[in-house]
Amino acid sequence: GEDVEQSLFLSVREGDSSVINCTYTDSSSTYLYWYKQEPGAGLQLLTYIFSNMDMKQDQRLTVLLNKKDKHLSLRIADTQTGDSAIYFCAESIPRNAGNMLTFGGGTRLMVKP
Amino acid sequence: DGGITQSPKYLFRKEGQNVTLSCEQNLNHDAMYWYRQDPGQGLRLIYYSQIVNDFQKGDIAEGYSVSREKKESFPLTVTSAQKNPTAFYLCASSDPTGTEQFFGPGTRLTVL
Repeated sequence: GEDVEQSLFLSVREGDSSVINCTYTDSSSTYLYWYKQEPGAGLQLLTYIFSNMDMKQDQRLTVLLNKKDKHLSLRIADTQTGDSAIYFCAESIPRNAGNMLTFGGGTRLMVKP
Repeated sequence: DGGITQSPKYLFRKEGQNVTLSCEQNLNHDAMYWYRQDPGQGLRLIYYSQIVNDFQKGDIAEGYSVSREKKESFPLTVTSAQKNPTAFYLCASSDPTGTEQFFGPGTRLTVL
């Protein structure tokens, strides 16, 4: 079945690195995603990785995928107060002619000045 | 500017009333989606549409209905049959593969 799990909360100091972790269960995932949600807003797509890749880097963001362990992580370098938000991990599962997303419960990142 | 709009941002309704949430996109996307978000939880898929005049139930479709008469528009009706309608509703759209889904700003529905 489909299940995506994340820890609820992470607190870091400004300038430190943040690492948000996610585990998923469906081995047929095609893509894995990280979304950011600020209070009262929609979801912003940060980055995504194809399931046959191990790593993707985009400026301050690094995504690591361990497909064997079904573990995904998002590292934010030099974390800023503006990075405070809820971060959602999602996996993409083929359904009908497209891909459907299954989301984790979100990790609230708090960045202290 | 290309994007997805949802209106209204806040919506209040009395119990037993149907209410329709609007979602419009000008990204020329074929696929559109409705999700529900409850406090402290992830998103759950209500309905999706991969093409005009076609839509499919998601994981929690009971008590909801949709239509897709135009490519740009995918309205969601929350009916009186939905037992717990108070939630944050998010609309999204994507190309037909669904590889990248882009989200609207959401509508917060409160049923009194």
